[in-house]
Amino acid sequence: AQSVTQLGSHVSVSEGALVLLRCNYSSSVPPYLFWYVQYPNQGLQLLLKYTTGATLVKGINGFEAEFKKSETSFHLTKPSAHMSDAAEYFCAVSRSNDYKLSFGAGTTVTVRA
Amino acid sequence: SAVISQKPSRDICQRGTSLTIQCQVDSQVTMMFWYRQQPGQSLTLIATANQGSEATYESGFVIDKFPISRPNLTFSTLTVSNMSPEDSSIYLCSVLGGAGGHYNEQFFGPGTRLTVL
Repeated sequence: AQSVTQLGSHVSVSEGALVLLRCNYSSSVPPYLFWYVQYPNQGLQLLLKYTTGATLVKGINGFEAEFKKSETSFHLTKPSAHMSDAAEYFCAVSRSNDYKLSFGAGTTVTVRA
Repeated sequence: SAVISQKPSRDICQRGTSLTIQCQVDSQVTMMFWYRQQPGQSLTLIATANQGSEATYESGFVIDKFPISRPNLTFSTLTVSNMSPEDSSIYLCSVLGGAGGHYNEQFFGPGTRLTVL
């Protein structure tokens, strides 16, 4: 079985400040890890993913995440928040043998001017 | 990445009726998935739909309530049967894709927002 825990359902940051969204997972097999973003009234867009190899992965819109196996974490960061980053962010995990995604509860990011 | 469309984009239905949601992909894909996102909640996998085989349902979801068709490699439908207000959700389809022969990420459609009165 696999599961995802996102710490903090709401995060508020000032424009230009660091964005840090926390994600911890549990998985019985080496996981594939993902971050998706959902803008209001839109579908999900993949920000970045980790499957194998380099543990620091870079995604779109300046986001990056680091896979830390010892901490079972996959936290998402962006050095400088922009107003357009306001959205809901979902961390997800899948297994390599069936690709089914298990999602975290989501974190809503608001950006203050 | 695949381009995915869903029809309808939204609907308001009466309890006891059924709604069929269509998912169309612009390329051939092996694996398609259907998810439900209840109001203010995260996404939950309903079923996996592979062409040429019966859909496989996750715990808590049954074929009689959510029948799925997958007639070819670019199309799938999900029916929400005998609806109740608890079925009010956004229903999303996704496909397994990727680049460089590494098919390990899912691309999502825009979703169908269903309200049951």
